[in-house]
Amino acid sequence: QAVVTQEPSLTVSPGGTVTLTCGSSTGAVTSGHSPSWFQQKPGQAPRTLIYGTSNTQSWTPARFSGSLLGGKAALTLSGAQPEDEAEYYCLLSHSGARVFGGGTKLTVL
Amino acid sequence: EVQLVESGGGLVKPGGSLRLSCAASGFTFTNAWMTWVRQAPGKGLEWVGRIKSKTDGGTTDYAAPVKGRFTISRDDSKNTLYLQMNSLKTEDTAVYYCTAVSYWGQGTLVTVSS
Repeated sequence: QAVVTQEPSLTVSPGGTVTLTCGSSTGAVTSGHSPSWFQQKPGQAPRTLIYGTSNTQSWTPARFSGSLLGGKAALTLSGAQPEDEAEYYCLLSHSGARVFGGGTKLTVL
Repeated sequence: EVQLVESGGGLVKPGGSLRLSCAASGFTFTNAWMTWVRQAPGKGLEWVGRIKSKTDGGTTDYAAPVKGRFTISRDDSKNTLYLQMNSLKTEDTAVYYCTAVSYWGQGTLVTVSS
């Protein structure tokens, strides 16, 4: 089973910009891996922010965007808000199955 | 409004079985690929498996840790997704979420303990 890697933790200043990345043990991440990103706050169910690399949901704040960057999937937050402090997970498709990354704990400080 | 409501969780002994249900509403269930995701206490998300819509073949895929023990099925007449879990292990203890079309349920807790 492929291993999906994310930064364990990142810190961003309020109003700042941060990029979270998602890599695969099988090689470069492409659109074929159909990267998705999820946000989870303590005590809550996850919610979907991004699917299919860069597609947003109606509830996704405009400050979040998805892309491919340097062989990885990326989630960029531009203009961080205190309410963005959360755990973020990416999900990649690998031969029919899907694999989550270990998550990135984002602190807004 | 899309709703996914999981049920069936509880305490079960190692080696036992449990069936989870996920009642769906607010979208066209028959066309949706449905997924189960779990989260062990204090841990990250783990993809469990998925069932495609019948029009796309109705096939299933599973994560390696549950393959051969868990079975995902669906009843399109009831808009309900199921997860049959057999030969349960203590490491299967988790909150189990069903997801579809980018929506998530609130989860149901499964505890495997003697």
